[in-house]
Amino acid sequence: TQLLEQSPQFLSIQEGENLTVYCNSSSVFSSLQWYRQEPGEGPVLLVTVVTGGEVKKLKRLTFQFGDARKDSSLHITAAQPGDTGLYLCAGGGTSYGKLTFGQGTILTVHP
Amino acid sequence: DAGVIQSPRHEVTEMGQEVTLRCKPISGHDYLFWYRQTMMRGLELLIYFNNNVPIDDSGMPEDRFSAKMPNASFSTLKIQPSEPRDSAVYFCASSPRQRAYSNQPQHFGDGTRLSIL
Repeated sequence: TQLLEQSPQFLSIQEGENLTVYCNSSSVFSSLQWYRQEPGEGPVLLVTVVTGGEVKKLKRLTFQFGDARKDSSLHITAAQPGDTGLYLCAGGGTSYGKLTFGQGTILTVHP
Repeated sequence: DAGVIQSPRHEVTEMGQEVTLRCKPISGHDYLFWYRQTMMRGLELLIYFNNNVPIDDSGMPEDRFSAKMPNASFSTLKIQPSEPRDSAVYFCASSPRQRAYSNQPQHFGDGTRLSIL
């Protein structure tokens, strides 16, 4: 069974601070996706990384896939209250279509 | 384009009653997924379909849970009889045909918040 561990589970910071969320596994994934979920809504895809060592940037968000494709990180620069939400990483394995989700990181950015 | 549509948005019912959750996936998507989300266990995959055929139902917790997909535009998740521990938010998601070893994004509905008293 493939498992993804996210850390930290909770993060409460002030506006303008930087933060990093980690997603780790002992299994290799073919691709890694990051989703963001707001209260009362379903998760929404932010990015997909597929190559070991790949780095993708989305405005103030930087995503990295580990060289061995077992881990990933999400770094947010100068966090804003609008970044508040639940961040989920999800790994794609050898089963077509199926994703393994991490437990999530609840981020709160205070004005 | 309309996204994934789930109904009802909220359901409150008494223990022992039958509950039916409904999902309309995005037109043209080949895959449909049912998830359950709780604070304790996070987002759990219950079952998923490919072209209306169930592929993996290993996440379905008990025989009280069943899911069907009679056609490409409709799926149901049924709980009978319901129990208080089934209280959770249930999500339906759909995705396009997968490329080899590179997952397509999953598009989620807004969920059904289920409370069993």
